[in-house]
Order: sequence, then C-alpha cells, then structure tokens
Amino acid sequence: KAGVTQTPRYLIKTRGQQVTLSCSPISGHRSVSWYQQTPGQGLQFLFEYFSETQRNKGNFPGRFSGRQFSNSRSEMNVSTLELGDSALYLCASSSGGLAKNIQYFGAGTRLSVL
Amino acid sequence: SQQGEEDPQALSIQEGENATMNCSYKTSINNLQWYRQNSGRGLVHLILIRSNEREKHSGRLRVTLDTSKKSSSLLITASRAADTASYFCATDAAGANNLFFGTGTRLTVIP
Repeated sequence: KAGVTQTPRYLIKTRGQQVTLSCSPISGHRSVSWYQQTPGQGLQFLFEYFSETQRNKGNFPGRFSGRQFSNSRSEMNVSTLELGDSALYLCASSSGGLAKNIQYFGAGTRLSVL
Repeated sequence: SQQGEEDPQALSIQEGENATMNCSYKTSINNLQWYRQNSGRGLVHLILIRSNEREKHSGRLRVTLDTSKKSSSLLITASRAADTASYFCATDAAGANNLFFGTGTRLTVIP
C-alpha cells in the first residue's frame, strides 16, 4: 500500500504570493489533516477534512484554506504569503474516519517565503 | 493550550545506552501516542497507550502513562545510531477532535 504522498517537496515563494500544496492519502483513508511545523511553535494543527468537508480547524488565519476531493486527495492553499509562513507543512491521513486515530504522515512540503 | 511538553528538549547518549523522554499534558485524555521524526521528514507512529493502560511495550520501546500526574514516558532500550530523531507525544484530549502534539525531544545516539 502506498503511503501518504505530498507534492511538491520544496517550494520557494516571495511575500504576497499564494501557494497550493497537495496531499494524496493512503488508499481507503478518508480523514486528511494538515499541520504546520516550525522550530518555534512545534507542530500546529491547521485543519482536517473528511468526505470533502472541513470537519475541524485549528487557530490559523483565513489565509490558510484547504479542500478535499471525492477521491480523498486534499489541497492546502495559503494566500498572501508572509515570512512567518516559512515552515514544513505536513499532511496526515487516518483510517476509521477520525483525526484522533493513528496518523500516517507524508514527508512534508518545505515552504520558504523570501 | 492542550499541547504537551516533552522533557528534555534534547538528549545525547552513547549507542547501547537507554534513552528516556517524558511528556506532560494538561487535560484529560482518551489515549496518548508517541511518534518519531527523522530530520525534516514526516512523523512515524510508534505506539499508542490508552488512558486505562499503565504500561505498554513494543520491541525496544516501553511507554508508561500516569493519568494522575498527566504524564507519560518513552524508554528506548539498547539505543542505536538509527534511533537518532525527534520524538513527539500526541494526546487525544477528551472532547477534542484532533491530536495535540508536544514540542518534541531531540535524541542523538552517538555511535
């Protein structure tokens, strides 16, 4: 079974631009969660999608958004990038339909905002 | 914040020694999980312990949970250089719909 796939692995953007990250979960997993990881803040929960609906949301501004498609693939979008958005963005999928279940993580997308 | 805190923040040991890292959390939980992260990569699930369990083993890993103290510990026995990574606890807080990750312990095992 293929693992969680995130693309791209690395991104360099400038302030003010927008970016879209992609995540393909493990086949059969319907819950997809996104996390932001920075040295200062650790691993912060962004949001979770289940059956194409955002089910949970962390404490991030509206510039961070996402969606999920019928095949459970998910995208995350960040608009009007700020320097502080530089981070490793991790996607995780879980079986059983709960974001609290064991999470299977992708390798992440490293975003650098210049 | 419901986020857990790992202690110590960093740990350096010789190969073959045991490594112990601790996690403290703030609210009641249903279960607690431990994950490992190699540098700049995704996290890998190691072990899950439920709130009604006190100890759990998996290979060279031993996890304890003390719900009265709101703390957990992860023991890695006979460490290997390949165990070098960051280790995170994640809590399934009662009433919450997602996991809350701790700040992590960076373990370095010197060959």
